[in-house]
Amino acid sequence: QSALTQPASVSGSPGQSITISCTGTNSDVGSYNLVSWYQQHPGKAPKVMIYEVNKRPSGISNRFSGSKSGNTASLTISGLQAEDESDYYCCAYAGRRWVFGGGTKLTVL
Amino acid sequence: EVQLVESGGGLVQPGGSLRLSCEASGFTFVTYSMNWVRQAPGKGLEWLSYISSSSDLISYADSVKGRFTISRDNAKNSLYLQMNSLRAEDTAVYYCARSYAVTSTFDYWGQGTLVSVSS
Repeated sequence: QSALTQPASVSGSPGQSITISCTGTNSDVGSYNLVSWYQQHPGKAPKVMIYEVNKRPSGISNRFSGSKSGNTASLTISGLQAEDESDYYCCAYAGRRWVFGGGTKLTVL
Repeated sequence: EVQLVESGGGLVQPGGSLRLSCEASGFTFVTYSMNWVRQAPGKGLEWLSYISSSSDLISYADSVKGRFTISRDNAKNSLYLQMNSLRAEDTAVYYCARSYAVTSTFDYWGQGTLVSVSS
């Protein structure tokens, strides 16, 4: 049960856009449109930002968007803001189990 | 307001056991599935286990299968994780997380309880 592959870190300036990739296999990301993205601030519980590849829960800014192509999912954050600085995790359904990515630290310069 | 409150964490010796609880409020517990997810210090998230609303569907990550047991008591709005044969690598913050079904995202999380396995 290998973790999904995410870049360890990404950075961007306020107002810019960034994209975080999440690469899995045809047993998880590639098999189901069931990829979620979670934001986690230090010492806090994770919070879902995107579910089912590209859906936003109520209350989540439309600056956050998700997509998927083949075995790779992506999270894009546009109009970067200081409060977006956080850790981000992708998570994919893999048939009666879930697998997380290793996490990406987003730094807003 | 949806609330999930974990308890039962602490320091335990290798080979020991611990039972975690997650008390739910603010929603109809009996209609939701539940999960346990953990996070080792400074590391990423790891899904551990899932239980359906009626306990008829249960699944585990390979890393805990045969050692951990998930259960729930809908009358008490509570979720449990019985952890046996604990190892140092089980040291982590353990979160309970709600989902609507086995294929649904984890929409609410508790604040976590810390389990430390050390002699």
